[in-house]
Amino acid sequence: DGGITQSPKYLFRKEGQNVTLSCEQNLNHDAMYWYRQDPGQGLRLIYYSQIVNDFQKGDIAEGYSVSREKKESFPLTVTSAQKNPTAFYLCASSPSGTVNSPLHFGNGTRLTVT
Amino acid sequence: KQEVTQIPAALSVPEGENLVLNCSFTDSAIYNLQWFRQDPGKGLTSLLLIQSSQREQTSGRLNASLDKSSGRSTLYIAASQPGDSATYLCAGYNTDKLIFGTGTRLQVFP
Repeated sequence: DGGITQSPKYLFRKEGQNVTLSCEQNLNHDAMYWYRQDPGQGLRLIYYSQIVNDFQKGDIAEGYSVSREKKESFPLTVTSAQKNPTAFYLCASSPSGTVNSPLHFGNGTRLTVT
Repeated sequence: KQEVTQIPAALSVPEGENLVLNCSFTDSAIYNLQWFRQDPGKGLTSLLLIQSSQREQTSGRLNASLDKSSGRSTLYIAASQPGDSATYLCAGYNTDKLIFGTGTRLQVFP
């Protein structure tokens, strides 16, 4: 079955450590996205990529980094510069990244930093 | 700044009721709109996408409409079932970005 796989489901880290969240898709989608979800807030865009080897900052990119070396993979690194990293992180993809292209989501990674 | 309001924030109904969930954008310049369902601790599942040339979409017991002149969308759920219990989010494209609402938490009890 085609889909988006995020791993791990839960992640615990100490403050000051970098951590990388995995996102893999086998839908052959061109565009991939990372969102952050916090209680009581709408999803906020961190980074997105419309094509391999290219990515753009979203609304809250500070303290995060990404890479897009392969079409199927879009890992997100949460660095120690991110002031409030504890959140639910969602990866998504869409066929083309255009306006009428529907988003498909993974099941998320819950990151807790203490 | 574009903001999205979803009303009600939470809803608890008995099985069998017909429901209307509302989504409203402060800036009515919305190109399209997508409704999602989110179960606790899970990702979002796409329910309906109303594309820029459309006014409504239907899938089974779900019907979504978009009024671009007012920037409002409604999701109609017919004959609700306990399995419909989840959080429902709307998201609309405004210029170059997708804006998400905070969701309506729905509980349908037997």
